[in-house]
Amino acid sequence: LAKTTQPISMDSYEGQEVNITCSHNNIATNDYITWYQQFPSQGPRFIIQGYKTKVTNEVASLFIPADRKSSTLSLPRVSLSDTAVYYCLVGDYAGNMLTFGGGTRLMVKP
Amino acid sequence: EPEVTQTPSHQVTQMGQEVILRCVPISNHLYFYWYRQILGQKVEFLVSFYNNEISEKSEIFDDQFSVERPDGSNFTLKIRSTKLEDSAMYFCASRPGTGRIKLFFGSGTQLSVL
Repeated sequence: LAKTTQPISMDSYEGQEVNITCSHNNIATNDYITWYQQFPSQGPRFIIQGYKTKVTNEVASLFIPADRKSSTLSLPRVSLSDTAVYYCLVGDYAGNMLTFGGGTRLMVKP
Repeated sequence: EPEVTQTPSHQVTQMGQEVILRCVPISNHLYFYWYRQILGQKVEFLVSFYNNEISEKSEIFDDQFSVERPDGSNFTLKIRSTKLEDSAMYFCASRPGTGRIKLFFGSGTQLSVL
């Protein structure tokens, strides 16, 4: 199982771009990288998934280097409502033990 | 977007009592999960369920815990004899069999053991 490591917390200001990096040194060939957002008292919500290079959707981008031992979630122009905990999760399609790491608590200030 | 529904939203019980937490996963999903989150801590994996049987379980999921999919739609987590340390938010999640590893989470059941 690929263990993930993220910074415990980050601060940012409204309108800035935020980059959160996750380390997953023992990622397996079949593993994909997904990111989730969690607000207090709610279940995590899927943000984005990637395998390699760059993926972009309407809310975020995900950058994955060639060795895939890390990934970076990029949130463009954050707002106060982006204050949440962000988790990266690594697993394959047959993944049964999908385990979250410690998450990064992002605080966006006005 | 389809939703995973969980009931009840809050459950208060006495230590030693049995509780059953209920979940209705999204209808065409094939993988089902229970997670728990103690206040202020990370989301912890408990168990996964596929093809009508447990596929993986964590060390938290001991003999006091069991899961069932009794009627092809509901997915339940039973705690046989609750302990104080079982107090947590319990989340059910499901995902399709193919495509992205996109877990759909319910809104959770807050379990308080007194």
